[in-house]
Amino acid sequence: GNSVTQMEGPVTLSEEAFLTINCTYTATGYPSLFWYVQYPGEGLQLLLKATKADDKGSNKGFEATYRKETTSFHLEKGSVQVSDSAVYFCALSDPAGANSKLTFGKGITLSVRP
Amino acid sequence: GAGVSQSPSNKVTEKGKDVELRCDPISGHTALYWYRQSLGQGLEFLIYFQGNSAPDKSGLPSDRFSAERTGGSVSTLTIQRTQQEDSAVYLCASSATGTYHYEQYFGPGTRLTVT
Repeated sequence: GNSVTQMEGPVTLSEEAFLTINCTYTATGYPSLFWYVQYPGEGLQLLLKATKADDKGSNKGFEATYRKETTSFHLEKGSVQVSDSAVYFCALSDPAGANSKLTFGKGITLSVRP
Repeated sequence: GAGVSQSPSNKVTEKGKDVELRCDPISGHTALYWYRQSLGQGLEFLIYFQGNSAPDKSGLPSDRFSAERTGGSVSTLTIQRTQQEDSAVYLCASSATGTYHYEQYFGPGTRLTVT
């Protein structure tokens, strides 16, 4: 079945540090890939997505590239801010599946200190 | 415009009681999903509705769980004879279509605590 594996957390960084959060996946078909973010006290919201190989999703300074050869979708940001402190979830939706449900990784908590 | 809303935001119930959780999706969205977020299991898919088609119930953990969607809009998730392991945050999401690359919009969730 489908699965998403994220690096273990939590992650604590200083402001302006470089961020990488690793995500790899297993899927039956050719999935769409997503990063969702959950800010403290708020609901899940889409951060970025990519729907085919070599696509790069980007938003709010975050980027992730769909790498089919390594089945990865790592999230990066060049300079994190305190406001980026949140829980980040990597997810996939598999067109070969019975429906368009999202399969999520376990999430990773990012804390950015001033 | 209005996002996905869920009610109640918090629910505390005694073991063995039945609970109903409500979801109002974004108007016009044909696809509706329920997920469960718990410390031990992460985010799990529960059930999917698409238009007037029969729902995909493949993620429901037991026959104590059921859901319906009336008029292609509001959905209710019912848990009968609640158990402590049902304690979690129940999330509802909707999407403009059931297409796999479309964004899902999530509600704020209902935190269920079974005592």
